[in-house]
Amino acid sequence: KQEVTQIPAALSVPEGENLVLNCSFTDSAIYNLQWFRQDPGKGLTSLLLIQSSQREQTSGRLNASLDKSSGRSTLYIAASQPGDSATYLCAVRNSGGSNYKLTFGKGTLLTVNP
Amino acid sequence: DGGITQSPKYLFRKEGQNVTLSCEQNLNHDAMYWYRQDPGQGLRLIYYSQIVNDFQKGDIAEGYSVSREKKESFPLTVTSAQKNPTAFYLCATAAGGSSYEQYFGPGTRLTVT
Repeated sequence: KQEVTQIPAALSVPEGENLVLNCSFTDSAIYNLQWFRQDPGKGLTSLLLIQSSQREQTSGRLNASLDKSSGRSTLYIAASQPGDSATYLCAVRNSGGSNYKLTFGKGTLLTVNP
Repeated sequence: DGGITQSPKYLFRKEGQNVTLSCEQNLNHDAMYWYRQDPGQGLRLIYYSQIVNDFQKGDIAEGYSVSREKKESFPLTVTSAQKNPTAFYLCATAAGGSSYEQYFGPGTRLTVT
C-alpha cells in the first residue's frame, strides 16, 4: 500500500528566504506526482504535476523535482513571500490498476514572516 | 476552484439525519472524486467516478453514498450510518489524457451535533 510522508510538518521562515519542502513515498511505481497548496478553510490549488518520466517542473518561483527510484520529491520555493503562507500537500498517482486515485501526504504548514 | 462548485459552504445537521452535499463542474471532465479531510490527517478518498452511471468505493466509503446521473454532477450523501461525519468535504475532477491532473472545489464544512 502506498504511503506518502511530508517532512517537516511545519516550517517558519523569514521573508526572502529560499526553502525546500520534502515528500517521500514508499512505492516507486508511480504514474505522476502532484503538488498542491491549501489556504485555511479552502480547497486545494494544483501547483505542479510531474510525470514519472520527468525529473523536474518549474512554475514561476516554484520548482519541483522527482527522484522516482528513491521515492522522493522536493518543492523548492525561491524568495519566499508572506503570501506563500499555506499548507503544501503532495500526492502520488500509482501506476497500474488503481491509477485513477491519489494518495496524499499530511502536508507541510508553511509560515513566511514579514 | 475554477469551474467546480460545492454547496453549501457550511452545513449543520442533527445526528441521525441524512445530508446531501452538492458538487457541480463545467470543465467537461470525465472523472469526479469525493475526499474527506480531518485535522492532522491527509485527504482520504470516499468515492470516485470515471464515467456517468458508474462509481467506485474509495478507502472510507462506509456510511456514504453517491450517484452519477450526469457528467456535471456528483452528489454525496452522508447517511446516519456514518459514525463521525463532522469534517471538511472536498470534491475534485480530472480530465482524461496523459496526466489525469486533479482539480478541487472550494469544499463544504459539515458539522453534525
